[in-house]
Amino acid sequence: DSGVTQTPKHLITATGQRVTLRCSPRSGDLSVYWYQQSLDQGLQFLIQYYNGEERAKGNILERFSAQQFPDLHSELNLSSLELGDSALYFCASSDQETVSGNTIYFGEGSWLTVV
Amino acid sequence: AQSVAQPEDQVNVAEGNPLTVKCTYSVSGNPYLFWYVQYPNRGLQFLLKYITGDNLVKGSYGFEAEFNKSQTSFHLKKPSALVSDSALYFCAVRPYTGRRALTFGSGTRLQVQP
Repeated sequence: DSGVTQTPKHLITATGQRVTLRCSPRSGDLSVYWYQQSLDQGLQFLIQYYNGEERAKGNILERFSAQQFPDLHSELNLSSLELGDSALYFCASSDQETVSGNTIYFGEGSWLTVV
Repeated sequence: AQSVAQPEDQVNVAEGNPLTVKCTYSVSGNPYLFWYVQYPNRGLQFLLKYITGDNLVKGSYGFEAEFNKSQTSFHLKKPSALVSDSALYFCAVRPYTGRRALTFGSGTRLQVQP
C-alpha cells in the first residue's frame, strides 16, 4: 500500500458526461501528480500541483482540469467525455521537493470507461 | 525534453534464470532514474531509483539496476527470476532540474515461465 488513495476505483459513464476523480496523497506529501495510462499512449503525465498551486502541465486536454485543495487532496475533472478518454487515471504524490531525488508514489488508479 | 526507451515489449525468461529488462534514456544534465512495476489491475509500485553515487542500485524484491552514463542506460536485473515477477515494468526519468514529473517508457512485459 503506497498510502495514496484514489476514488472511485471504477467508473462507467456516457459520452458527453463529466466526471470527477479524487485523490488523497500520502500523509505529509505536498506534491500531487496526475497521469493517464491508455493502451495506445502509455503513461502520460497530465498535471502537477504543489501545495495548492499548479506546478507543471503535461499532455492535459482543455476538457480536463484539476485542483489541489487546502487539505492537499486533489481532484481531476474530465468533461465532455469521449470514447478515447477511457483509460486508467493515476494519482501520485511526493514530499517537499529536494535536490536528492524524491520518490513519487502512485495510487491504485481509477478505471474510467466511456461508453 | 527527456525521453525513455524500453526496446522490448516483452521479455520471456525461465524461472530461476537471470533476467534483464532494458532501458535507455535521454535527458539534459544529470538524470534521476526509476523503475516501477505494475501487476495486473494494480497501481505502479516503486522498485528502485538512481540518484547519484554507486552505479549499481539495489531495490525491492531482489531487483537491482545498473546505471551506465556513457551508454545512457539503466537496465533492470535480477539474478534468479520468480514466476511471481511476471508483470509490467516501467523505466522513468526525471532531470536534476526543471520539471519534477516523471517521464515513463512504454513498458516491458516480463513473463517468467515455470
